[in-house]
Amino acid sequence: EVQLLESGGDLVQPGGSLRLSCAASGFTFSSYGMTWVRQIPGKGLEWVSSINTSGGSTYYADSVKGRFTVSRDNSKNTLYLQMNSLTAEDTAVYYCAKGRGSGSSRREFDYWGQGTLVTVSS
Amino acid sequence: DIQMTQSPSSLSASVGDRVIITCRASQSTSSYLNWYQQKPGKAPKLLIYAASSLQSGVPSRFSGSGSGTDFTLTISSLQPEDFATYYCQQSYTTPPTFGQGTKVEIK
Repeated sequence: EVQLLESGGDLVQPGGSLRLSCAASGFTFSSYGMTWVRQIPGKGLEWVSSINTSGGSTYYADSVKGRFTVSRDNSKNTLYLQMNSLTAEDTAVYYCAKGRGSGSSRREFDYWGQGTLVTVSS
Repeated sequence: DIQMTQSPSSLSASVGDRVIITCRASQSTSSYLNWYQQKPGKAPKLLIYAASSLQSGVPSRFSGSGSGTDFTLTISSLQPEDFATYYCQQSYTTPPTFGQGTKVEIK
């Protein structure tokens, strides 16, 4: 059974940093691209960042480019999101999601974690 | 970025009703269009990928159609567990973008 378990969400002050983790199990982690999607409570879904299987290619939404860094450790089956210079606009539930396949299907998200809440406030 | 627009934003329906949700893209996404269901407090769940392919384990009352810029999600006979918010998402290009959601409520 595929499982994705996020952790690391917390209350942080504006300008602060946080690192999210997503522990994966039930599939060959190193064979799939992975993605972070966020959702402001009560609002819609926003793609944040994606990473390819090896970690050699990363992609970011304009709203987080230069502040967030996605990475993965295939030996630990874990995805990460390092978030720096956080603002109130980054307050959201952050989900990690597995790409369904390769090519364009890597942007189809077939499994999602339960989410972790990041709150940026003084 | 490709903008995705869903309609309606919300709808009220009864158990057994046929429900149709539409999604329009600001430019062609070919057939790279996916549908997700999200229930309160839960993660989204993939229902349909590539416009019309049913994800494994999803009931056959869900179906998708369309190509280019116009797509539909149809629930043939609404069940109590289908009351949720539905999102379309284009996977044609980066950044992948989502519609604003359609909330399906009980009439």
